[in-house]
Amino acid sequence: GAVVSQHPSRVICKSGTSVKIECRSLDFQATTMFWYRQFPKKSLMLMATSNEGSKATYEQGVEKDKFLINHASLTLSTLTVTSAHPEDSSFYICSVPGQPQHFGDGTRLSIL
Amino acid sequence: GESVGLHLPTLSVQEGDNSIINCAYSNSASDYFIWYKQESGKGPQFIIDIRSNMDKRQGQRVTVLLNKTVKHLSLQIAATQPGDSAVYFCAEGYALTGNQFYFGTGTSLTVIP
Repeated sequence: GAVVSQHPSRVICKSGTSVKIECRSLDFQATTMFWYRQFPKKSLMLMATSNEGSKATYEQGVEKDKFLINHASLTLSTLTVTSAHPEDSSFYICSVPGQPQHFGDGTRLSIL
Repeated sequence: GESVGLHLPTLSVQEGDNSIINCAYSNSASDYFIWYKQESGKGPQFIIDIRSNMDKRQGQRVTVLLNKTVKHLSLQIAATQPGDSAVYFCAEGYALTGNQFYFGTGTSLTVIP
């Protein structure tokens, strides 16, 4: 069965809107979760590590104020794309640590 | 982050043939490697993994080979089926933490019926 649940699977919104994406760990309590971004026909790019009870750790080049991450509980992490613009359109995927790491089914974000 | 790359961006094989997908990694300290399969519009799905203390591991119809000397990883799929058509990624990381993994560029496998 699924280990990670991601919601919504698809969202289309106007430029300037803020969009929240949820990632839930279903099988265990995750003190960390990971957020990736994927452009069409490209690989997954690690954006940040979400840490329960503390600030997220962002990869170099990722705007912290643009991509707000909150790890509200041991089973839930959220990614909020603030004041989204068309260039933020992408496929966002979360994962939980482990051997192997398990991924959600992603969120297709389209900004008009 | 580490650089993980794949040699071939696309691969087409006849149904029933064997497929070989290659991957080069750059961080000699990585000790855990995973192959993922990603179908269109979905998240990566785990296929098989291998630790650096092994050079070969077999699963159902899949085999992963690891050559630490030249930092090369390969995925072999036996008797390739149409359902195997997808993008395949290798990823490298550390077994101890199970944390951040860095992905290669991906190989798109197309199985011709």
